[in-house]
Amino acid sequence: SQTIHQWPATLVQPVGSPLSLECTVEGTSNPNLYWYRQAAGRGLQLLFYSVGIGQISSEVPQNLSASRPQDRQFILSSKKLLLSDSGFYLCAWSLRGPDTQYFGPGTRLTVL
Amino acid sequence: SQQGEEDPQALSIQEGENATMNCSYKTSINNLQWYRQNSGRGLVHLILIRSNEREKHSGRLRVTLDTSKKSSSLLITASRAADTASYFCATDRSGGGADGLTFGKGTHLIIQP
Repeated sequence: SQTIHQWPATLVQPVGSPLSLECTVEGTSNPNLYWYRQAAGRGLQLLFYSVGIGQISSEVPQNLSASRPQDRQFILSSKKLLLSDSGFYLCAWSLRGPDTQYFGPGTRLTVL
Repeated sequence: SQQGEEDPQALSIQEGENATMNCSYKTSINNLQWYRQNSGRGLVHLILIRSNEREKHSGRLRVTLDTSKKSSSLLITASRAADTASYFCATDRSGGGADGLTFGKGTHLIIQP
C-alpha cells in the first residue's frame, strides 16, 4: 500500500533562518506531488506541484522554493524565513492530476 | 483565488442527527471532492463526484452535485462524535491537468454527545 511521510512534524524557526521540509512517498511510481500551506483556520493554498523529477510548477510568488530530486521525494525550502511563512504545510500525491489526492500528516511551522 | 466556499463555516449538532454542508464554486470543473481534517492532522479523502454525476453515496455520506448552480452538498447521516472535524470541498481546474486542487475554507463540524 502507498504511504506518504513528512518530516519534521513540528518546527520552530527564527525569522531569516533557512527551511527544508521533506516529503517522501512509498508504494507508487511517478506520482504527481504537491505542497500546500494552511494558515490557521483557513483552507489549503497550493504552493507547488510536480509531475516528474526536476519538474516544478509554482502557484504563488513567495520566498519558498521546491525541488524534486527523486521520483518519490519532494522538498520545500526557503533561504530566509518570514513571519508570514508560519503555517501548516501539507504534502500530497496523486496518480492523475485532477483525481484523489492523498495527504501526509503535515508539518507545523512557527516562525518567530 | 478561492474556488470552493463551504457553508456554513461552523455547525454544531447532536449525535445521531444529520449534518449537511454546502459548497459553491466559480469555474467549470471535472470533479469535486470532499475531504475531512481532524484537528492538527492531514486531510483524508472522503468522496469524489465527477461533473457528469449528480449524486453519490459512500456509507453514511451522500454527496450531490449541481453543475448548473455550481454547488455541491455533503450529507452525513446519523452523526457520531468521531465525525467532529473540518470538512473541505476541493475542485480541480477544468483543464484537467496535474495542477492541484483548489480548496474552500472548510466547515467545522462539532457533534455534541
